[in-house]
Amino acid sequence: DTGVSQDPRHKITKRGQNVTFRCDPISEHNRLYWYRQTLGQGPEFLTYFQNEAQLEKSRLLSDRFSAERPKGSFSTLEIQRTEQGDSAMYLCASSLSGVNNSPLHFGNGTRLTVT
Amino acid sequence: AQTVTQSQPEMSVQEAETVTLSCTYDTSESDYYLFWYKQPPSRQMILVIRQEAYKQQNATENRFSVNFQKAAKSFSLKISDSQLGDAAMYFCALTSGSRLTFGEGTQLTVNP
Repeated sequence: DTGVSQDPRHKITKRGQNVTFRCDPISEHNRLYWYRQTLGQGPEFLTYFQNEAQLEKSRLLSDRFSAERPKGSFSTLEIQRTEQGDSAMYLCASSLSGVNNSPLHFGNGTRLTVT
Repeated sequence: AQTVTQSQPEMSVQEAETVTLSCTYDTSESDYYLFWYKQPPSRQMILVIRQEAYKQQNATENRFSVNFQKAAKSFSLKISDSQLGDAAMYFCALTSGSRLTFGEGTQLTVNP
């Protein structure tokens, strides 16, 4: 069990640029979640996948955000035309089944700074 | 909508002492789970303890225990024999369908 890994750890970009983050979950976990966390706040749910299917998206996930999990393994989160308000820590988590039955295992996160 | 409220932005405790972190929540679900997660500085979030709503017995994990008051929708975390390594941000969380809803967090400082 190598844990949930996220890449990159830090990303600095200029407003208007596109960015993409990657998450590799624990290998046997079929659920994968993306959360956003701003400084001093708790994580906010963005979206989750069961295998390759994206089953739920938060209203926080604007049209500029897109997430994929093409083969049910790793996932990518892309933000197009970044804005300063997108600056946050983006957390990925995985679990073996539904939240009730299995706790979420979180990665270290990708910290995005939009200048 | 589910909500989780942590009314203590910051708490401090002396090493070896006991501290209690507060959490209240609101949900219309009858079956749900509650969690406490710990987030050390610049490190990943890890699960501390979880409680099934249908269980009356309070969960315990070594030095960590909860006081679950279902009627009052209260879910506090007690840390006994506090250690320097307990210093972190602590988040209370509630299941909401397939997602976790987190509180705002409580920053715990442990003084030597």
